[in-house]
Amino acid sequence: GAGVSQSPSNKVTEKGKDVELRCDPISGHTALYWYRQSLGQGLEFLIYFQGNSAPDKSGLPSDRFSAERTGGSVSTLTIQRTQQEDSAVYLCASSYGLAGGPNNEQFFGPGTRLTVL
Amino acid sequence: KNQVEQSPQSLIILEGKNCTLQCNYTVSPFSNLRWYKQDTGRGPVSLTIMTFSENTKSNGRYTATLDADTKQSSLHITASQLSDSASYICVVSPTGGGNKLTFGTGTQLKVEL
Repeated sequence: GAGVSQSPSNKVTEKGKDVELRCDPISGHTALYWYRQSLGQGLEFLIYFQGNSAPDKSGLPSDRFSAERTGGSVSTLTIQRTQQEDSAVYLCASSYGLAGGPNNEQFFGPGTRLTVL
Repeated sequence: KNQVEQSPQSLIILEGKNCTLQCNYTVSPFSNLRWYKQDTGRGPVSLTIMTFSENTKSNGRYTATLDADTKQSSLHITASQLSDSASYICVVSPTGGGNKLTFGTGTQLKVEL
């Protein structure tokens, strides 16, 4: 089957605009993660969904960032009133269970490169 | 200070040569340590996953080692190929941290002819 897919692959927007990034996880994976990867930085955890549990939003950098996961599958990360410092690659990953467990491998999508002008 | 430090930051080697990448971490206690390969413009792909009780794990030409006492891990690449050119990321999962993986900033490897 297909791996994790993300769209768009590239997004250029103007400062102050809202953007939506989409992630389609691997079918059957209950856990879904969003990360941000800035140049020269390690992946930064943003938000995590696990089944029907409340999402862990502890990594979201500001209230301009939000995410939802509909029907336990597709997820959308929304950034409102984008700022230049939001420019980064946004990666989505999915796994069968908690990725922290040694038997739960995370599978990453190709990412969305966001550029805020 | 990052809880997962990798060295070198970048490395250039000739095709066919071996190399070793280092990862030092302070995350403790930890459940497992992973090495990922990330090609340019792609998402990371898992190479190895080691629990705290494992010392070594191989995946083809990639061999990871772990010393939980010194909190060090290494990734050894044997007989490098041009396709090994990528960023190699060390990731540590803290015990009880569930989803909270800690990522290193990676070592950028370039293999040349």
